[in-house]
Amino acid sequence: DIVMTQSPDSLAVSLGERATINCKSSQSVYNSENYLAWYQQKPGQSPRLLIYWASTRQSGVPQRFSGSGSGTDFTLTISSLQAEDVAVYYCQQYYITPWTFGQGTKVEIK
Amino acid sequence: QGHLVQSGSELKKPGASVKVSCKTSGYVFSTYAIHWVRQAPGQGLEWMGWINTKTGNPTYAPGFSGRFVFSLDTSVTTAHLQISSLKADDTAVYYCARVDSPYHYYAMDVWGQGTTISVSS
Repeated sequence: DIVMTQSPDSLAVSLGERATINCKSSQSVYNSENYLAWYQQKPGQSPRLLIYWASTRQSGVPQRFSGSGSGTDFTLTISSLQAEDVAVYYCQQYYITPWTFGQGTKVEIK
Repeated sequence: QGHLVQSGSELKKPGASVKVSCKTSGYVFSTYAIHWVRQAPGQGLEWMGWINTKTGNPTYAPGFSGRFVFSLDTSVTTAHLQISSLKADDTAVYYCARVDSPYHYYAMDVWGQGTTISVSS
C-alpha cells in the first residue's frame, strides 16, 4: 500500500497569513498526471474536494487554495487564512488501490 | 451537478447487520463510480473500496472483504453498503462519494452527508 504522510499534524496560523501543509507518499503517484487530491473537512461535515491532479482547483474553491508538487512530495497552501478555513485537511492518492489518505492536518486560528 | 443523499443514523447490537443507502441524483448514474469511505470517531478517513456502476463489480480494500458488501439498485440510482456481523469497532461514519468514471481513477468530487453507525450492546 502507498503510505501518505502529512506534516505537520496541526498548525495555528494568524488570520491573513499563509498556511502550508505537506504530504509525502511512500512511492511516486505520477503517471502522466499526479494522482493526488486534497480534501477539506470542517467539523461535523463531509469532506470536500479542494484540489485534484495535485494542482487543479475544484470548481468553486477559492483561489487562496493552491496545490503543488510532483512524484512523492506535495504541498497545499492557503495563501491568506480566513476564519472559514478552520478544518482538517487530508491528502489522498488515487494512483493505485487501495486508495490511501494522509492522517490529516488540523488548521486553527492563532 | 450531482447530489448524494445517505440514509439516517443507525444503532445496532453486535452481531446484527445494517444496510446504508446512498441515493444519487442530478447526473447519469452509470457514468460515475461510487466509493465508500469510513471515519471512526475522532479518526481520519479510510477508503473501503468502490463499485462500478456500469457492471456492478465491487472492489474491496484489504480489511473490508467478507462482512462488507457493496451493491446497486440501478432502478432508483442508489448504491448500498451492507455490513454483517457488526462489531463495536465498526462504529463510524460511513460516506459514499462519486468518481467521474466507472473505470478510471479520479478524485472523489461529490460526497454524501455521511451515515453514523453505532454498534453497542
